[in-house]
Amino acid sequence: AQSVTQLDSHVSVSEGTPVLLRCNYSSSYSPSLFWYVQHPNKGLQLLLKYTSAATLVKGINGFEAEFKKSETSFHLTKPSAHMSDAAEYFCVVSGYNFNKFYFGSGTKLNVKP
Amino acid sequence: GAGVSQTPSNKVTEKGKYVELRCDPISGHTALYWYRQSLGQGPEFLIYFQGTGAADDSGLPNDRFFAVRPEGSVSTLKIQRTERGDSAVYLCASSSDRSGGGTDTQYFGPGTRLTVL
Repeated sequence: AQSVTQLDSHVSVSEGTPVLLRCNYSSSYSPSLFWYVQHPNKGLQLLLKYTSAATLVKGINGFEAEFKKSETSFHLTKPSAHMSDAAEYFCVVSGYNFNKFYFGSGTKLNVKP
Repeated sequence: GAGVSQTPSNKVTEKGKYVELRCDPISGHTALYWYRQSLGQGPEFLIYFQGTGAADDSGLPNDRFFAVRPEGSVSTLKIQRTERGDSAVYLCASSSDRSGGGTDTQYFGPGTRLTVL
């Protein structure tokens, strides 16, 4: 079975400092992995996705993530946080037939001035 | 162009009533997904349509939940005999699914917040 664990429910950083949001997955095959962001009162938006090509994936707004099969991880990073990055972030893994998607429980990112 | 829209944005109903939630996907998108997001949790998969047919409905929690997409565009999620535990935000997403492998970007609607009193 597939599952996703987001290790931190809340992360707080200062503006201009690096961001690290952790995600571990469990899968019996090579899945596709995604990060979505949800700003308050707005719909979910795709940040980036891994689909078995390059293991280092670059997304929008300066975010990137690295797929590490040996560690079953797909952590999201950004070198320098901006106030507008404050939101909730979800790590997602695809199901075996790639038509079903499993979301983590989310990490709320707070950015302090 | 227009994104995914969902109506109503809010729905308050009484326990035992029937509700319908509507999703208008992006024009031309063949794949459509329904999710349920309870407070403090990530979205939970309910059902996936490819065209008019439900290709995977394994996430529907019980037979009170049903969804249709008769013309391959608009979809309606129907909940019978609502219970307080059905209270959640119901999200709809669509994708072009060009690759056929479910890796195309899903575009989400703003959701319908359902409250069952």
